[in-house]
Amino acid sequence: GDSVTQMEGPVTLSEEACLTINCTYTATGYPSLFWYVQYPGEGLQLLLKATKADDKGSNKGFEATYRKETTSFHLEKGSVQVSDSAVYFCALTMDSNYQLIWGAGTKLIIKP
Amino acid sequence: ETGVTQSPTHLIKTRGQQVTLRCSSQSGHNTVSWYQQALGQGPQFIFQYYREEENGRGNFPPRFSGLQFPNYSSELNVNALELDDSALYLCASYHREGNTIYFGEGSWLTVV
Repeated sequence: GDSVTQMEGPVTLSEEACLTINCTYTATGYPSLFWYVQYPGEGLQLLLKATKADDKGSNKGFEATYRKETTSFHLEKGSVQVSDSAVYFCALTMDSNYQLIWGAGTKLIIKP
Repeated sequence: ETGVTQSPTHLIKTRGQQVTLRCSSQSGHNTVSWYQQALGQGPQFIFQYYREEENGRGNFPPRFSGLQFPNYSSELNVNALELDDSALYLCASYHREGNTIYFGEGSWLTVV
């Protein structure tokens, strides 16, 4: 079945470091891909999305490109801040049912 | 602002009791899904409603049930609560114009 695999955490970085969180997927069709962020004690917020191959989603300095050839949607940011500390979830949905299939989440810790 | 509102935000119930969680969304959000997120884990799909009919269900027992109303609000009902039902319950709403799934802030349920 369809699935999402993302790198295990926690990922610990210093402020202003570069970030990459890997995400790969398995899907029978052409999914839409999402990154959601969850800050401590809060619900899920949509960070960015891409709905077709080669699309680049971006928001708040984060970027991810939908790579069909490598079935990947890696999350990147050039310079992280302490406020970026959160859990990041990669997810996909097939257009037919809008059910989100989730990765396990990656906890990001940014130290000052 | 996601346009998805959940209530209550926190509640405590006793094992064996019943609980109703509520979700409201805006016009155009015609598909609603519920997810359970245990502490430290990713969300798990419970079920999905479209035009007031259930059209998808995850691996949850029948004591988890739901309703969707014509005004885009919905309910999650859980009967015979068990300790393992303690979790964050998330409502997700699909907005067709934005082709995006938005989440509410969630309802934290503690079963004692």
